[in-house]
This record gives sequence, C-alpha cells and structure tokens, in this order.
Amino acid sequence: NAGVMQNPRHLVRRRGQEARLRCSPMKGHSHVYWYRQLPEEGLKFMVYLQKENIIDESGMPKERFSAEFPKEGPSILRIQQVVRGDSAAYFCASSSQGRGSQPQHFGDGTRLSIL
Amino acid sequence: KNEVEQSPQNLTAQEGEFITINCSYSVGISALHWLQQHPGGGIVSLFMLSSGKKKHGRLIATINIQEKHSSLHITASHPRDSAVYICAVFSGSARQLTFGSGTQLTVLP
Repeated sequence: NAGVMQNPRHLVRRRGQEARLRCSPMKGHSHVYWYRQLPEEGLKFMVYLQKENIIDESGMPKERFSAEFPKEGPSILRIQQVVRGDSAAYFCASSSQGRGSQPQHFGDGTRLSIL
Repeated sequence: KNEVEQSPQNLTAQEGEFITINCSYSVGISALHWLQQHPGGGIVSLFMLSSGKKKHGRLIATINIQEKHSSLHITASHPRDSAVYICAVFSGSARQLTFGSGTQLTVLP
C-alpha cells in the first residue's frame, strides 16, 4: 500500500542545469499538489494538477518552472536553468478529491541543492 | 499579517507533559489540517477537520469556526513527539492550502 512516492530524495544540480522532480500519487488519487519549502521558511503552494490538467498554478514562478501530470506516469515538476535560489525541499501531495474535501497525503520530498 | 498564525514558534517540554499548540486564521475556510514534519523532513497528515474535535491516540485536535481558532493537544508527551507541527487551512474560495510557519516541539526525556 504505497503512499506518495517522490524521487529522487536528493538532487544536486549546477547553476544553469535542469532539474526534474517526480511524484507518483497514492493509488486511486488523481489530484496532485506541489509545495516548496525554502530553507528556514514555511511551506508554500506552487501548483495543483488533476490528470492531464493544470487546475491552479498561481503559486508557481512564471519563468523556468513547469509542471505536468500526464495520463500515464508520474507528475513532473521541471525547473529549467536552475539558480541558487531554487535550493529548497519540494513536496508533492495527493488526494482522492480536490477542493479540500479530502485529506492530502504527502511524499517525503525532494531536496534540491544548487551548486 | 499572515493568513495563518501559529503559536508558540518553539516549545520545549519534559516527557509526560500536556502540550498545546495554537493556530489562528483570518480567512473563511472549508477545512483545517494539522501536519507533522519529522526531523528527517517527511510530512505526515495528522488531522483534517472542519468542525468540533478529533482524537487519534494521544493527539487531539479542536477547531472553533466562529473564533477562527484551532488547537492541537498532545497528552503524555514523549521524546518521539519531537517534530515541527504545521497548521494549514483550505480556504473556501481557493484550491490550495495556506500554511502556518510551524511550531518546533522538543520533548526532553
């Protein structure tokens, strides 16, 4: 009974490279949320996706960041041309329904370090 | 002013003590979550509630919708309860969680 699976757990990139973070939701969940936790700061919402659709991306930076949740496979958070300020923990959560009517289950996060 | 305020920021207790962590919010909500973030960084959902009170083991969560306030209580605290406890709200008009800054709890043996 796997929970939300995120990989990799740790990712190191040099400035200017691309980072791809993956999230497989819990079985039966079609709603995925991405959150970012900057060092010494709280969690912040980035994007909410439902299979093949971006529902709300109001928390995602307009440039360099993109997210997808294809019909098959995990959700991907992609950061192009990474900069030092992208160093953070990125958490994915999933739920069986949207709009806060069901609990969100969190993954263990991906810790991204930019050299 | 943040939409979600937690207090205290840091809390140190002796093993066995009764712990209370408070959360106040300023927006209308459809649900409030309490989360636990372990020292290793993983996040566990403890409670989701929209009214009243919920209990799970030694943990109790209450919410007062009129006063826009929630509390998380831990009875007979134990060193393994040491973690960051985070309050988050799902506002009625939004599709996203807004988080408090967390309460760092340390329980000493």
